[in-house]
Amino acid sequence: QKEVEQDPGPLSVPEGAIVSLNCTYSNSAFQYFMWYRQYSRKGPELLMYTYSSGNKEDGRFTAQVDKSSKYISLFIRDSQPSDSATYLCALSTGGGNKLTFGTGTQLKVEL
Amino acid sequence: GAVVSQHPSRVICKSGTSVKIECRSLDFQATTMFWYRQFPKQSLMLMATSNEGSKATYEQGVEKDKFLINHASLTLSTLTVTSAHPEDSSFYICSAFLLAGVQETQYFGPGTRLLVL
Repeated sequence: QKEVEQDPGPLSVPEGAIVSLNCTYSNSAFQYFMWYRQYSRKGPELLMYTYSSGNKEDGRFTAQVDKSSKYISLFIRDSQPSDSATYLCALSTGGGNKLTFGTGTQLKVEL
Repeated sequence: GAVVSQHPSRVICKSGTSVKIECRSLDFQATTMFWYRQFPKQSLMLMATSNEGSKATYEQGVEKDKFLINHASLTLSTLTVTSAHPEDSSFYICSAFLLAGVQETQYFGPGTRLLVL
C-alpha cells in the first residue's frame, strides 16, 4: 500500500463546475498538507497549505484536512480552462522532512 | 509566494559530458533544498536532500558519485550530473524549504529539462 493514494484521473469537467480532488494517506505522523498545481513542463506551484486538521479557503480554492479519516481534499469552484493541470497532494511530517506526494490527478476543464 | 529559480531551464549535451544545474531561493534563505527528477506523466521522484554546509542525503538507488550536490550557501544549491548518458535525460526540479513560524512548505523551481544525446 502506498503512503499516499491519489486517483490519477484524467478528470474532465465543464467550465464552471465544482471540482473535488482527494488524497488518502496511511501515516498518522503527517502534519503538513499541501496542494500543488503543475502545468505541463513546469515546476509545481504551491496552491494551498494546511497545518493539522481543518479547512482553508483562498479565492476559488478550498482545502480540507480530516486527520481522523486520513483524508484530504481540494475543491475548485467555478473552474476555468486555465485550471487544467495536474494537481498533486503533498504531505510532510514536519521538521524539514521530505514531502510524500500523491501520483497527481490530471484535470481538464472544457469550454 | 516565495520564488525559486533554476538555471538553465533547458540543456542539451553530448553523452559523457557533465552538466551543472543551479537552484536559487530568491527572496528567502533555505537551509534545506531538495532535488527531484520527473519522467513524463509521472510524479516527482526525490533524488536527494541538500543541507547547507553539509553533505547531501541521497535516496536509495540514486548514485551520489553521478549526481553531485553542493549547497554552498543559504540561497544556492547545485546539482551536477557527471558523465551524463541518454538515460539521464529527464526533467530535474529543485525545491527550497521555507520555515515561517509554524508553517513549513517547499517552493519549487521551474525545472530544468536535460537531454543527453
